[in-house]
Amino acid sequence: GDSVTQMEGPVTLSEEAFLTINCTYTATGYPSLFWYVQYPGEGLQLLLKATKADDKGSNKGFEATYRKETTSFHLEKGSVQVSDSAVYFCALSDQGAQKLVFGQGTRLTINP
Amino acid sequence: DTEVTQTPKHLVMGMTNKKSLKCEQHMGHRAMYWYKQKAKKPPELMFVYSYEKLSINESVPSRFSPECPNSSLLNLHLHALQPEDSALYLCASSQDRRLAGIYNEQFFGPGTRLTVL
Repeated sequence: GDSVTQMEGPVTLSEEAFLTINCTYTATGYPSLFWYVQYPGEGLQLLLKATKADDKGSNKGFEATYRKETTSFHLEKGSVQVSDSAVYFCALSDQGAQKLVFGQGTRLTINP
Repeated sequence: DTEVTQTPKHLVMGMTNKKSLKCEQHMGHRAMYWYKQKAKKPPELMFVYSYEKLSINESVPSRFSPECPNSSLLNLHLHALQPEDSALYLCASSQDRRLAGIYNEQFFGPGTRLTVL
């Protein structure tokens, strides 16, 4: 079945550091890929998405590129802020499916 | 309006109580979802409604009973819950364009934090 694997956390960085959170997937079809962010005490917010190979999703300085050859969708940001501290979930949905398959989540803490 | 709202924000109930969680969206979405999220874990899908009909039930115990009165509203009725049911319950919605082969992202509400004593 479909699955998503994220790098294990927690990840702790200093403000203005470069961020990468790795995400790889397995899927039988041609999935859409997503990054969701969950701030403390809140629900999930869609951060960015990509629906086909080589698409780049971007939002709020975050980027991720859909790499079919490596089945990856790594999240990057050039300069993180304290306000980026949250849990980040990589997820996929196979074409025609109604289910989101989530990775285990990566807790990110940014220190000033 | 791109918001999914959920009430109540917090709920404490005893094992013999009956309570309901409510979810509402006004984005014209035709698919709505209930998820359960335990601490430090990803959300787990419980139910999916598509065009107001239950389309997916992930083998959820019958003490959880979903209801979709109309395309904007989704309820989750709770009865005789166990302490292990304490969790964050998230509602989500999406456009549901499966027939067109296009997946639309799910929009999540802020959740209801449920504690069962």
